[in-house]
Amino acid sequence: QKEVEQNSGPLSVPEGAIASLNCTYSDRVSQSFFWYRQYSGKSPELIMSIYSNGDKEDGRFTAQLNKASQYVSLLIRDSQPSDSATYLCAVLPFNQAGTALIFGKGTTLSVSS
Amino acid sequence: GAVVSQHPSRVICKSGTSVKIECRSLDFQATTMFWYRQFPKKSLMLMATSNEGSKATYEQGVEKDKFLINHASLTLSTLTVTSAHPEDSSFYICSARNTAPPNEQFFGPGTRLTVL
Repeated sequence: QKEVEQNSGPLSVPEGAIASLNCTYSDRVSQSFFWYRQYSGKSPELIMSIYSNGDKEDGRFTAQLNKASQYVSLLIRDSQPSDSATYLCAVLPFNQAGTALIFGKGTTLSVSS
Repeated sequence: GAVVSQHPSRVICKSGTSVKIECRSLDFQATTMFWYRQFPKKSLMLMATSNEGSKATYEQGVEKDKFLINHASLTLSTLTVTSAHPEDSSFYICSARNTAPPNEQFFGPGTRLTVL
């Protein structure tokens, strides 16, 4: 069974620090990887997608992918209290219409001011 | 980013009535849309996968006759909760996958259903 694992947290960091969120996946042939942010009572919001090994940066966010280790991470630089949310790692096992994303259970991030 | 709309955002209904939720991809085409349900402080639960022009694929344990899904066009999918009961009260969220590469998937804002 394909699985995506995340530490549920809470991960607590002070304002201005770097928050590091980690995710591992079981299906070695997975091709596409996503990070979603979900605020309490709201729907998930796509913040990063990554498809190739290495780093991908977008503003304060950096996604890192290591397919050999089956590992995806999200770094949030200069963390702000508004970053406090649950971060969901999602994996698309193969790119075929109708294939559902496999989600981790999410990591709760708390940024204190 | 791409926009997915969902209506209504909130609905309160009496037990036994049917509720229809619409999900639209506003600025992209979506061959595939997904319907999720989420209870408070719980993980997203995939209910069904909807492919344009074909029957939806339901996850194990989800009653297809209770949760009717129609994906009539590349931008519209609907979920109808038939004969709703209090245990159907939940946060229903649709999601649409962009047909164009890189095939990212975007979520609607969700519909909070309360069945009295």
